[in-house]
Amino acid sequence: AQKITQTQPGMFVQEKEAVTLDCTYDTSDPSYGLFWYKQPSSGEMIFLIYQGSYDQQNATEGRYSLNFQKARKSANLVISASQLGDSAMYFCAMRSSETGANNLFFGTGTRLTVIP
Amino acid sequence: DSGVTQTPKHLITATGQRVTLRCSPRSGDLSVYWYQQSLDQGLQFLIQYYNGEERAKGNILERFSAQQFPDLHSELNLSSLELGDSALYFCASSVGSFSGNTIYFGEGSWLTVV
Repeated sequence: AQKITQTQPGMFVQEKEAVTLDCTYDTSDPSYGLFWYKQPSSGEMIFLIYQGSYDQQNATEGRYSLNFQKARKSANLVISASQLGDSAMYFCAMRSSETGANNLFFGTGTRLTVIP
Repeated sequence: DSGVTQTPKHLITATGQRVTLRCSPRSGDLSVYWYQQSLDQGLQFLIQYYNGEERAKGNILERFSAQQFPDLHSELNLSSLELGDSALYFCASSVGSFSGNTIYFGEGSWLTVV
């Protein structure tokens, strides 16, 4: 069965430092997509980055990069040069056809706080 | 701005009432999804439509229903509302329903049932 695990309920990082948010997943589907979303206190869900299961290289989008380790079934989000505006909830999500539905299955999230 | 538009942004209603949440997907997106986010349940998938047809159902209550219209906008109808239905309801859309298609979310509709 599909499963997404985010083991860090909360993380703190100093401004301008890098931070890694952990995500592990489980699926029996060989074709899947991994996504990270940011949810600020205002509530909207903002897409950050995507990694496909067959992608050979780790995805990068500006200050965001995804450390994809397929054998370990992990897809950690790395945020470089943290900014105060990065303070938010971060959700890891997976999309596969294992359940017959290609919808997103979310982890419980990690609350990141950037300290000035 | 994701391009997904949801209305209303905030809604307060009484128990037993019925409300309709509306969603316009991103231009060109055929798939529409509804998600519910509550404090105790986290983010739950409710239902998906693709080009007007129901594609997948998640944890959607029988009191809830949805549809996608020919112009691809979608509505989520919530009836016989209970206090526990208070949540943030997201509409999302994607071009297709493959695992590689990114799903973009609207800003959500905050529903408070009193």
